[in-house]
Amino acid sequence: EAAVTQSPRSKVAVTGGKVTLSCHQTNNHDYMYWYRQDTGHGLRLIHYSYVADSTEKGDIPDGYKASRPSQENFSLILELASLSQTAVYFCASSDLNQDTQYFGPGTRLLVL
Amino acid sequence: QEKVQQSPESLIVPEGAMVSLNCSFSDSASQSIWWYQQHPGKGPKALISIFSNGNKKEGRLTVYLNRASLHVSLHIKDSQPSDSAVYLCAVSINYGNEKITFGAGTKLTIKP
Repeated sequence: EAAVTQSPRSKVAVTGGKVTLSCHQTNNHDYMYWYRQDTGHGLRLIHYSYVADSTEKGDIPDGYKASRPSQENFSLILELASLSQTAVYFCASSDLNQDTQYFGPGTRLLVL
Repeated sequence: QEKVQQSPESLIVPEGAMVSLNCSFSDSASQSIWWYQQHPGKGPKALISIFSNGNKKEGRLTVYLNRASLHVSLHIKDSQPSDSAVYLCAVSINYGNEKITFGAGTKLTIKP
């Protein structure tokens, strides 16, 4: 089965600090995605990428950057973490856009 | 912007009952619809998808798509306690750039 791993699994950050969330996939998929999940909002797309060294903005990109240094790795960067960025973050991969997405286990981020 | 609404927000049924979950979407140009299952503390996992009007059956799952009414439903036959989870509806649409929008989910509890 397709495998997506995320690190760290949980993190406490201070307001104004820098946070980097990492994602690694062994599926040989071209597409990778970063979502955040908040109670009552479902999953919202932050950034995605369909090829190494290139990223695209999703629906809520403000306050986030993304980096895709290789096909297997995709990072989400919060340069100046804010209280409103407290959420659970999920990474996913898919073979083609609009194809079935395989999700990682999530990273629980608490910004204080 | 595509809107995806799920109902009910939560549902409690006895073991063995038939479960019906609903999802409405706003854009008739939508393409495929997926249902994902998410257990507590885990990432979503794809269950079943549908593209064509009509129904599709896989094991205990049946999904019905009615494009005219912009509605899709998921039915789980002979529900089991292990089916207790949050069910997410995801709708894809092509606005020039392909996008997938998730609903907020239905929390299903199966009582033994």
